[in-house]
Amino acid sequence: QVQLVESGGGVVQPGRSLRLSCAASGFTFSSYDMHWVRQAPGKGLEWVAVISYHGGNKYYADSVKGRFTISRDNSKNTLYLQMNSLRAEDTALYYCAKDSNLEHWGQGTLVTVSS
Amino acid sequence: SYELTQPPSVSVSPGQTASITCSGDKLGDKYACWYQQKPGQSPVLVIYQDNKRPSGIPERFSGSNSGNTATLTISGTQAMDEADYYCQAWDTSTRVFGGGTKLTVL
Repeated sequence: QVQLVESGGGVVQPGRSLRLSCAASGFTFSSYDMHWVRQAPGKGLEWVAVISYHGGNKYYADSVKGRFTISRDNSKNTLYLQMNSLRAEDTALYYCAKDSNLEHWGQGTLVTVSS
Repeated sequence: SYELTQPPSVSVSPGQTASITCSGDKLGDKYACWYQQKPGQSPVLVIYQDNKRPSGIPERFSGSNSGNTATLTISGTQAMDEADYYCQAWDTSTRVFGGGTKLTVL
């Protein structure tokens, strides 16, 4: 069955960087677009970024454009999110999700930006 | 930027029909999806492409999308359906979520 396991979250100071990973299994990773979605504590879902199945197309929410970079390694079945210049408002649970309908989601990894 | 608007809360009695709306400019021209999220859990897709149900989602969940409004309908609502529900749609190449609706079954 489809499994998505996020990792790399933690506590980081404002202005610093962090890289999240999402390990995928149970499906042909290289055939599907992948997304990052975040949820601040007690708040709703916010779409962050998407990468096409081949990695050639990437799109971002305005709130993270220029600071975050989505990438993937199809040989490792892994999705990444490089987060730079982190702000307090980036504090959230970060989920990876599979395919155009976001049909499958991981359990999330928590990022806390605080001094 | 594109916005989707949902009512913050909807209440329904067990066995009755719950309707949750999602409004956006010309939303009917886009595909809408709906996600259910229970406390402490990851979201679950319950409707995609306006009105399709993924495998394993009960038939009591249905969707429609026309004009400026998409609607999630839960027929014969059960206590287990109490959750937050989010709509989502494409905007050019990006995605947008609605603010979420808390469904209370009482």
